[in-house]
Amino acid sequence: EVQLVETGGGLVQPGGSLRLSCAASGLTVSSDYMSWVRQAPGKGLEWVSIIYSAGRTYYADSVKGRFTISRDNSQNTLYLQMDSLRAEDTAMYYCARSRVESGICFLDYWGQGTLVTVSS
Amino acid sequence: SYELTQPPSVSVSPGQTARITCSGDKLGDKYASWYQQRPGQSPVLVIYEDTKRPSGIPERVSGSNSGNTATLTISGTQAMDEADYYCQTWDSSPAVVFGGGTKLTVL
Repeated sequence: EVQLVETGGGLVQPGGSLRLSCAASGLTVSSDYMSWVRQAPGKGLEWVSIIYSAGRTYYADSVKGRFTISRDNSQNTLYLQMDSLRAEDTAMYYCARSRVESGICFLDYWGQGTLVTVSS
Repeated sequence: SYELTQPPSVSVSPGQTARITCSGDKLGDKYASWYQQRPGQSPVLVIYEDTKRPSGIPERVSGSNSGNTATLTISGTQAMDEADYYCQTWDSSPAVVFGGGTKLTVL
């Protein structure tokens, strides 16, 4: 059974930093494509970042240069380092396994999410 | 950047057929996926590669994609189908693109 468990959310001041973790079981983060998706309170889903099995990384324009996606293969864990946080980064953050191949992309397993609140 | 447009809300009576649309430029040339999100829960994949259902998704849930529009169809709608639904595709940027979401109300 696949399980994704996000941790690391919390309250942080504008300009601060936070690192989110996504511990995986039932899949291997180094062999899969993994994404972070966020959802602001009462709003829709917004893709944040993806890391390919080969290690390439891509980001939404809204977080490029401020967020960094990475993984620890030995811990089978995905990370999202968030720097220079802004009020508009306040959201529930989900990690999800992403199936990407020849123009096909879908997210088939999702975690329960971790809430990030950016406020003074 | 690529955009997907969904109606904010769709209403349906129990037992009737609900159709939720998702529009994007030449979307039919791409693959569409759909997610269901009940209040307070994480999204769940219900359709991928335009028409395929993951295991555990009932046959009354179906998808299509042609031209500029992908459609999620739920036949024999039940109270448990009341949720937010999001379409999604893959852009060559590369990027995962989501629609704005549609709230399905079962009256």
